[in-house]
Amino acid sequence: SQTIHQWPATLVQPVGSPLSLECTVEGTSNPNLYWYRQAAGRGLQLLFYSVGIGQISSEVPQNLSASRPQDRQFILSSKKLLLSDSGFYLCAWRKGQAFFGQGTRLTVV
Amino acid sequence: GESVGLHLPTLSVQEGDNSIINCAYSNSASDYFIWYKQESGKGPQFIIDIRSNMDKRQGQRVTVLLNKTVKHLSLQIAATQPGDSAVYFCAELYNQGGKLIFGQGTELSVKP
Repeated sequence: SQTIHQWPATLVQPVGSPLSLECTVEGTSNPNLYWYRQAAGRGLQLLFYSVGIGQISSEVPQNLSASRPQDRQFILSSKKLLLSDSGFYLCAWRKGQAFFGQGTRLTVV
Repeated sequence: GESVGLHLPTLSVQEGDNSIINCAYSNSASDYFIWYKQESGKGPQFIIDIRSNMDKRQGQRVTVLLNKTVKHLSLQIAATQPGDSAVYFCAELYNQGGKLIFGQGTELSVKP
C-alpha cells in the first residue's frame, strides 16, 4: 500500500534561518507531488507541484523553493525564513485522488 | 476558486439532519473534483470524487453533485453525526491533471 511521510511534525525556527521540509512517498511510482500551506482557520494554498523528477511548477513566487531530486521525494526549502512563512505545511501525492501527509507546523519566531 | 485568505464559513446542523456543503470552482476546464474532510491539526482526508462527465455520485452517506453550467459542486451528508464535525474542502484538478486547487472550505459543526 502507498504511504506518505512528512517530517518534522513541528518546527520552530528563527527569522532569517534556512528551512528544509522533506516529503517521501512509498508504494507508487511517478506520482504528482504537491506542497500546500495553510494558515490557521484558512484554506489550503498551493505552493508548488511536480509532475515528474526535476519538474517544478511554482504557484507562489516568494522566498520558498521546491525540488524533486528523486521520483518519490519532494523538498520544500527557504534560504531565509520570514515571519509570514509560519503556517501548516502539507505535502500530498496524487494518482487519481490526492493523499496527504500529516503536515508540519512551522512557527517562525 | 482559491480563497485561502478568507475565514472559513460555518455550517451548524443538528445530529441526524442532512448537511449540504457548497463550493464554487473557478476553472471551466477542470475535469476532476474531490471533496476532503480535515480535522484539526491533521491533513485532509479523501471523502468522494467525481469526474466532469458525471453530475452525481454517491458514496456511503455522502453524495456529490456537479453543476458544470454554473461551476458549482455540493456535498450532501445524510444523517449527520458528531464525528462529521470538521472542515470540508472541495478541490478541482486542471492543467492536464497537474494542478490541484482547493476551494475556501466550510466548517461543519454538528450539535448533539
